[in-house]
Amino acid sequence: GQNIDQPTEMTATEGAIVQINCTYQTSGFNGLFWYQQHAGEAPTFLSYNVLDGLEEKGRFSSFLSRSKGYSYLLLKELQMKDSASYLCALMDSNYQLIWGAGTKLIIKP
Amino acid sequence: DTEVTQTPKHLVMGMTNKKSLKCEQHMGHRAMYWYKQKAKKPPELMFVYSYEKLSINESVPSRFSPECPNSSLLNLHLHALQPEDSALYLCASTLRTSGGSYNEQFFGPGTRLTVL
Repeated sequence: GQNIDQPTEMTATEGAIVQINCTYQTSGFNGLFWYQQHAGEAPTFLSYNVLDGLEEKGRFSSFLSRSKGYSYLLLKELQMKDSASYLCALMDSNYQLIWGAGTKLIIKP
Repeated sequence: DTEVTQTPKHLVMGMTNKKSLKCEQHMGHRAMYWYKQKAKKPPELMFVYSYEKLSINESVPSRFSPECPNSSLLNLHLHALQPEDSALYLCASTLRTSGGSYNEQFFGPGTRLTVL
């Protein structure tokens, strides 16, 4: 079966850096996605990793280690608008997304 | 055009009503999805259409009936819903149902459904 774990909630300070971890167990793997979701809104795509290593996109970076079943999303220079839920989702052998429960990130001034 | 649109944004219906949710995209995507999302929970997959054919039905009750009239449109017909069906219903599309970095799912803004 599949299992995805990520922290329920994290708090960080405006201007700082935060790392949101995601660990997973799966029998089939076709990549890992990170999505951002503001309350009451639809998820928006942030990043995709299918090979080990770091993908950087502006203030956001995502890392994957397939051997460890581990990914993280790194957010730099935090802004108040980054307060949202961050969802880790892995693509299984049927190319469907299996979602983590999401991490609610609270940014304080 | 790089967006998925959904109508209506909000819907309130009684348990005996029949209503439909609509989703549209013009990105040439050939896979379209319906998700249900409850507050503080991740999206739950309901249906997947691939090249206008239903490819996945995640054991969804028959009171939800999907329809894909063409490659750009996806409907979800609702009948005899229960109060516990109240949720945010999200439509998403992707280029195709195979893998690769082009397989990110684009989500519509959702329909907030309340069943009384």
